Amino acid sequence: DTGVSQDPRHKITKRGQNVTFRCDPISEHNRLYWYRQTLGQGPEFLTYFQNEAQLEKSRLLSDRFSAERPKGSFSTLEIQRTEQGDSAMYLCASGRVAGADTQYFGPGTRLTVL
Amino acid sequence: AQSVTQLGSHVSVSEGALVLLRCNYSSSVPPYLFWYVQYPNQGLQLLLKYTSAATLVKGINGFEAEFKKSETSFHLTKPSAHMSDAAEYFCAVSEGTGGFKTIFGAGTRLFVKA
Repeated sequence: DTGVSQDPRHKITKRGQNVTFRCDPISEHNRLYWYRQTLGQGPEFLTYFQNEAQLEKSRLLSDRFSAERPKGSFSTLEIQRTEQGDSAMYLCASGRVAGADTQYFGPGTRLTVL
Repeated sequence: AQSVTQLGSHVSVSEGALVLLRCNYSSSVPPYLFWYVQYPNQGLQLLLKYTSAATLVKGINGFEAEFKKSETSFHLTKPSAHMSDAAEYFCAVSEGTGGFKTIFGAGTRLFVKA
């Protein structure tokens, strides 16, 4: 396993701009999760995919947020019209259905909205 | 609904001393429980997990945790702290049995003094 990778690692943007993050899970992991983590807090669940199907979205995820996993492999998280409150670390994790809910995390993308 | 409470946002120990990080959970179904560690600017790494097998779970780096259903606790311990243990530790609970949503605690930052 090469591990979960995320790109970019850091993103600085101006308020109102759109940003897109990519997550490449461990190969053959059919579950993929997105979390948001702010300073001093644990990860907050955003959304979850099983294969290409998005099965759950948190109420934290406003209409400005969208996530896709078109072929059941990599996933993208897009934030439209960014706000300063979107500044956070965005974490991706992957796992297997038979993996007792164990999640393997990527290094995260740190977003700073100016 | 599930929840996790980590008692103490900061814990400081001397090198060689016992490490005890406290976690209490709430779950309406038999839970899966996890401890993750996070080093600065990195993603989370799984330390250990409880999935309804043995109540005393051993993890990496000499850590272990004991599941106590009567106390709804899953405290993390290590007999002798090392400087490299300084990090943020997160306790997490999931529904298990095929459930996917994992709830994380707010984290406990461990400081290790020389």
